[in-house]
Amino acid sequence: DIQMTQSPSTLSASVGDRVTITCRASQSISSWLAWYQQKPGKAPKLLIYKASRLESGVPSRFSGSGSGTEFTLTISSLQPDDFATYYCQHYNRFTWTFGQGTKVEIK
Amino acid sequence: QVQLQESGPGLVKSSETLPLTCTVSGGSISSYYWSWIRQPPGKGLEWIGYIYQSGSTNYNPSLKSRVTISVDTSKNQFSLKLSSVTAADTAVYYCARDRSYGDPEVGAFDIWGQGTMVTVSS
Repeated sequence: DIQMTQSPSTLSASVGDRVTITCRASQSISSWLAWYQQKPGKAPKLLIYKASRLESGVPSRFSGSGSGTEFTLTISSLQPDDFATYYCQHYNRFTWTFGQGTKVEIK
Repeated sequence: QVQLQESGPGLVKSSETLPLTCTVSGGSISSYYWSWIRQPPGKGLEWIGYIYQSGSTNYNPSLKSRVTISVDTSKNQFSLKLSSVTAADTAVYYCARDRSYGDPEVGAFDIWGQGTMVTVSS
């Protein structure tokens, strides 16, 4: 089974900071990776799919990159609404696997 | 605008079967994979399994022996049954739409229900 590992688990940052979250796969997954944002008490929200494609309606300060085993989610200038937990997710038509999550908190 | 709504008991006794239903409104249940995902309190997300309109399914290997997902296209609903539950099955359960069917290039869970909390009691 493919394992997805995110780092860091928690990230403290200030409004305006550039933030990068890393997701590593235990084996190559090509570009079959999505990123989600989740706020307390709410369902996750899709941000990025196919590793780097921005979902419609998602602000352009969010971007994704990577392929193979290493991927990143970058927030170019952190906004107050961005403090949340972020999850990466691998999909391969047969199974879907989430990373353990990265909490972005206020510094 | 497609919306998903989970329904079912909020409390299930240990060793019994957890039943949940997801109702799809504002669109057809056709042409997508429909998944169940859960999140124990304070923890991360775990994919449980999916179903297609034809009834074809695939389950998380770690839960496969206890999971059954079914679909009722006439009601635009799909359902989850998780048997022999324990306290470890206490979680918020989400239903979600995956649009990867037919075009994996856009695959992802793009629409989610609000989630329903299920507690397993002893």
